[in-house]
Amino acid sequence: GAVVSQHPSWVICKSGTSVKIECRSLDFQATTMFWYRQFPKQSLMLMATSNEGSKATYEQGVEKDKFLINHASLTLSTLTVTSAHPEDSSFYICSARVGRGDEKLFFGSGTQLSVL
Amino acid sequence: LAKTTQPISMDSYEGQEVNITCSHNNIATNDYITWYQQFPSQGPRFIIQGYKTKVTNEVASLFIPADRKSSTLSLPRVSLSDTAVYYCLVEIGNEKLTFGTGTRLTIIP
Repeated sequence: GAVVSQHPSWVICKSGTSVKIECRSLDFQATTMFWYRQFPKQSLMLMATSNEGSKATYEQGVEKDKFLINHASLTLSTLTVTSAHPEDSSFYICSARVGRGDEKLFFGSGTQLSVL
Repeated sequence: LAKTTQPISMDSYEGQEVNITCSHNNIATNDYITWYQQFPSQGPRFIIQGYKTKVTNEVASLFIPADRKSSTLSLPRVSLSDTAVYYCLVEIGNEKLTFGTGTRLTIIP
């Protein structure tokens, strides 16, 4: 199946700093990527839909100035957690579809963010 | 978006067949049904997808009745490594996806 690469796998940062997470589609082009966050023992919560060449669409309650999404190419989307605080500590996961007509989602391996 | 309902948790012994049922009463005509598996601290992994009747691949089978208001994921002869959370999703094209609670499957030796 298609491969979605996500980096870093884990990151520890100090409160107030910014953290960038990368999501790459390795063997296909992804016009749309999705960003989720997941707290322990809970389900995945969709944060935003990242569209290549245009602004991301954020879900209700997700601060767009806090979670900056950039989808500058067909193979790369980035999520930047700005001025991170301990409550931003979570597991962040990206996903992508191979293309129109293909209904399957392929997920990155996730990024565990811990803000001290 | 069609909502899905699954059991919160299930236990099974090694070697048994496990069936996890998902209800999706509001499924639309062009919705597909897809199941994902997630291990701790990993992204979900695609297991199987279907539209109607039965689909089988090397790891699982998916049974979908004629009315498509439910679906059953069947895992044959489970092992300890099948302990994971299983999510049932109903998808439309490029529409965004919402994950339900999932089913936490625990395999007992």
